[in-house]
Amino acid sequence: QKEVEQDPGPLSVPEGAIVSLNCTYSNSAFQYFMWYRQYSRKGPELLMYTYSSGNKEDGRFTAQVDKSSKYISLFIRDSQPSDSATYLCAMSARSGGSYIPTFGRGTSLIVHP
Amino acid sequence: DVKVTQSSRYLVKRTGEKVFLECVQDMDHENMFWYRQDPGLGLRLIYFSYDVKMKEKGDIPEGYSVSREKKERFSLILESASTNQTSMYLCASSSPLDRGGNTIYFGEGSWLTVV
Repeated sequence: QKEVEQDPGPLSVPEGAIVSLNCTYSNSAFQYFMWYRQYSRKGPELLMYTYSSGNKEDGRFTAQVDKSSKYISLFIRDSQPSDSATYLCAMSARSGGSYIPTFGRGTSLIVHP
Repeated sequence: DVKVTQSSRYLVKRTGEKVFLECVQDMDHENMFWYRQDPGLGLRLIYFSYDVKMKEKGDIPEGYSVSREKKERFSLILESASTNQTSMYLCASSSPLDRGGNTIYFGEGSWLTVV
C-alpha cells in the first residue's frame, strides 16, 4: 500500500461545478499537507498549504484535513476551464531538519465550458 | 516569489551520452531536490541535498549522480543515458523546517528524450 493514495481520474465536470479532490494516507505522523496544481508540460505550483486538521480557504479553493480519518480534500467552487490541470496532494512529517514530502500520483481535472 | 530555474526545457540525447541538467534557485534555500515524473508513476525522488557538497539518495538514484558545489545550484548527471531515462525531470528547493520551510517549490521541468 502506497503511503499516499490519490485517484488519477480523469474527473470531468461542467463549468461552474463544485469539484472535490481527495487523498488518503497511512502515515499518522504526517503533519503538513499541501496541494499543488500542475498544468500540462509545466512544473507543479503550490496551491494551498495546511498544518494539522481543519479547513483553510483561499478564494475559490478550500483545503480540508481530517487527521482522524487520514483524509484530505481540496474543494474548488465555481470551477473554470482554466482550472483544468492535474492536482497533486503532498504531505510530510518532521524528520530532523529536512523536509521530504510524499506526493500522491495526481488527479487529472477537466472543466468543460 | 521563489524562482527555481531549469536551464534546459527540452533535450534530445543519444544512448550512452553523459547528460547534465542544471538547476538554480534564487531564494537562498538550503534544500534542493531532483525528481522525475512519469505517467502513472507520479513524482519519484532521485536525489536531494540539504547543504553544499551534501547529497542523499532518494527512491530511484540508480543511473544518476548529483553535484552541489554552490548553494544556489544543483546539477543532475546521467552518466550514460539510456532510453528508460526518457522522462520529465523536476528540480525543487525549500528551506529547512526551522526556517519555516514546510513547502517545496518546483522549476518548470526539463523534458529529456534519449534516443
